[in-house]
Parts: sequence; structure tokens; C-alpha cells
Amino acid sequence: EDQVTQSPEALRLQEGESSSLNCSYTVSGLRGLFWYRQDPGKGPEFLFTLYSAGEEKEKERLKATLTKKESFLHITAPKPEDSATYLCAVQAHGGATNKLIFGTGTLLAVQP
Amino acid sequence: NAGVTQTPKFQVLKTGQSMTLQCAQDMNHEYMSWYRQDPGMGLRLIHYSVGAGITDQGEVPNGYNVSRSTTEDFPLRLLSAAPSQTSVYFCASSYSGNKNIQYFGAGTRLSVL
Repeated sequence: EDQVTQSPEALRLQEGESSSLNCSYTVSGLRGLFWYRQDPGKGPEFLFTLYSAGEEKEKERLKATLTKKESFLHITAPKPEDSATYLCAVQAHGGATNKLIFGTGTLLAVQP
Repeated sequence: NAGVTQTPKFQVLKTGQSMTLQCAQDMNHEYMSWYRQDPGMGLRLIHYSVGAGITDQGEVPNGYNVSRSTTEDFPLRLLSAAPSQTSVYFCASSYSGNKNIQYFGAGTRLSVL
């Protein structure tokens, strides 16, 4: 069964304190791994897509990496505006191209 | 270009009532999906569509119906609301040309009493 597990469930950082969020996945052939950001009361907002092990993507203070079993979202020198829930999702080969399996997310709080 | 628009934003129903959650997108995306989000459960796929006239079931389809008569609209119908359907519902759209990146609406918060 395809599955996505995110850790930790919640993370509190001081402004400027770098850290990483983890997304472990089990899928019958990975077509793509997606990272989304979700602010309270809003829909998920797309951040990155990764397709193959070794791939990396960067955007401002965020960097996503991918191995054959997991993905990391590295946050460098975070600011309070980076506070949000970060969601990981996978898309498997063989299924419909718009079927995503989501993890439960990591709630990040960055304190000034 | 409004993106994905969901209406209503909030709704309270009584058990047994029926209603339709509306979703519209103006990006000419061929793929559309409905998810529900519950605390500790993550986003779960209810139904999805790969084009007008084509729909299929996701992970949690029971109690919901969908149809896709146009590319733009993908309504979700609750046939007989139950308290277990209290949730936040998100609609998303995507197209094959951008590697199926899904764009989400702002959500509908539904309470069933």
C-alpha cells in the first residue's frame, strides 16, 4: 500500500535556526514527490516537485532533496513568515496522473 | 485569472440534508480532484476527473457524488449528510503540460450537526 509519513509532527524554531523536515514514502514506483505549504484557513500552495533520487530544488530559504526512500525539506535561517504547515505528497506510476497521496504534515512555528 | 474558486466558504448542515459544494477553475486544466482534510489524517482523495465526462473514485468516495459536464466545473454532492462528513473540503486542478502540479482552492468548511 502506498504511504507517506512526515516527521516531526510539529517543530518550533528560533528565527535563524536552520532545520530539516522529513518525508518518508512507500510507493509502487514513484512518478513524483510534491511539497506544499499550507497557511491556516487556506488551501495548500505548491512549492516543489522532485522526480528522481538525487534531485534537489531550491526556493529562497527552502531546499528540497530526494532519495529512493525519503525527501527532506531543509529550511535555512528561517523567518517568522516561514511558519506554516508543510505537506508532502507522492504520485505513483500506474495510477491516474492527478492522484496524490498526502502525509499528515509538519507544523512549523518560527519564533522571532 | 481567479485560479480555483470554491463556494461556499462555510456551511452548516443537519444530518440527512443534501448539498452541493461548487468548484470552478479558469485555467483550462483537464484534471480536477476533491479532497477532504481532517485533523491527524492529512488530505484524502474523494473523487477525481481526468476530463469532461470522466470521473473516478478516490480513497474515500462513500456518501459523495461528482459529475464533470464542463472542463471548468467539478461539483461535489453530499447525498445525505452525516456527522462523519464534517471536514474541510478542497478542490484542486492540474494539467499534464506542467507535470501535474495541483493548484488548490481556499476550501469549504462543512459542519454536519
